[in-house]
Amino acid sequence: EIVLTQSPGTLSLSPGERATLSCRASQSVRSNYLAWYQQKVGQAPRVLIYGASSRDTGIPDRFSGSGSGTDFTLTISRLEPEDFAVYYCQQYGSSPLTFGQGTKVEIK
Amino acid sequence: QVQLQESGPGLVKLSETLSLTCTVSGYSISSGFYWDWIRQPPGKGLEWIGSVYHTGDTDYKPSLKSRVTISVDTSKNQFSLRLDSVTAADTAVYYCARRRSNFDYWGQGTLVTVSS
Repeated sequence: EIVLTQSPGTLSLSPGERATLSCRASQSVRSNYLAWYQQKVGQAPRVLIYGASSRDTGIPDRFSGSGSGTDFTLTISRLEPEDFAVYYCQQYGSSPLTFGQGTKVEIK
Repeated sequence: QVQLQESGPGLVKLSETLSLTCTVSGYSISSGFYWDWIRQPPGKGLEWIGSVYHTGDTDYKPSLKSRVTISVDTSKNQFSLRLDSVTAADTAVYYCARRRSNFDYWGQGTLVTVSS
């Protein structure tokens, strides 16, 4: 099973600032099959990034994903008020599918 | 527009069986893709439970495999989750989702509480 470790656990930032979230895998993720999801309180997650770096339909270009192998990053270039939420990485390259434990982006 | 909706009891007794159904609209399950169950204990992260393909082929998280059954009913455009011998640790919001590669459509989630 691939274990995904996200850091930091909590990121305290102000609107307009840049957010950098990390996701490290315990072994290489096949074909960089890694996705990032945003989850707001009381809502289901929604996909932001798939294939490590492809933005899903309708996702603003302030969200970007990068990385390969075992190290992946989600960057939010300029935080908008609606971006304060919990973010999860997830690998779908091998079974069992696994999620990271999440990074909470909170208002400083 | 693809929509998924979970349904089932919100309260299950200790050691009994949790059963949930996901009804899909806007897309025919028999057309393809994987159909998955994911859960989230209160205040915690997401855990993949397992999936079913439209053919009925299944894949489960190893630590849950002995207690989980996921099945599909293409005539009703539904798929279902059965989790046996539940404990308090199975209390969670349960989501159904469509998986193309990543999860692209999710249900709103349903809270299932295990109590004695």
